[in-house]
Amino acid sequence: AQKVTQAQTEISVVEKEDVTLDCVYETRDTTYYLFWYKQPPSGELVFLIRRNSFDEQNEISGRYSWNFQKSTSSFNFTITASQVVDSAVYFCALSERGGSRLTFGEGTQLTVNP
Amino acid sequence: DARVTQTPRHKVTEMGQEVTMRCQPILGHNTVFWYRQTMMQGLELLAYFRNRAPLDDSGMPKDRFSAEMPDATLATLKIQPSEPRDSAVYFCASGLDGYYGYTFGSGTRLTVV
Repeated sequence: AQKVTQAQTEISVVEKEDVTLDCVYETRDTTYYLFWYKQPPSGELVFLIRRNSFDEQNEISGRYSWNFQKSTSSFNFTITASQVVDSAVYFCALSERGGSRLTFGEGTQLTVNP
Repeated sequence: DARVTQTPRHKVTEMGQEVTMRCQPILGHNTVFWYRQTMMQGLELLAYFRNRAPLDDSGMPKDRFSAEMPDATLATLKIQPSEPRDSAVYFCASGLDGYYGYTFGSGTRLTVV
């Protein structure tokens, strides 16, 4: 069975602070895929990143970066120099094998205050 | 950018009525999901299809929910009869085996009174 845990229910920061959102996963498969999605107040789910289990390289995209560590089954997401527009709920998700079901974590509500 | 289109965006209905939600996946995508989002349960998988074949609908209450893909451009989710506890946001998502992630539609916000 697969499971995703996002222990931080809510995080509040002041603009320009760096913030890290934690994600811990469980799976029995050796091949799996990890995702992050953003859900702004408007409600849509926006795809941010996909990682496969064989690629542990960290990734950076602008102010966003992701740290994947198989040894600790974690896939953490860092926003550098946060902005008010980053305020949203962020979901981590896991898929075992390509094209199979996505299991989501509970989500972390990030509030960035001006 | 290609989009997943869901209709209607909002639906208010009375308990006992039939509700049909529609989804147009992105052309060329072979995987389609239906998820339900509530405050209490978060994002729950209801059903998913691969190449139009249903692969998993174990999360769906079978007595009242049904999901189909009559063709590659349309996925439907029906609730009959609807109940107040079905009130939620229903999302459709599509992807190509997940290689580039899955694209979600804007959701259908269902309220059953």
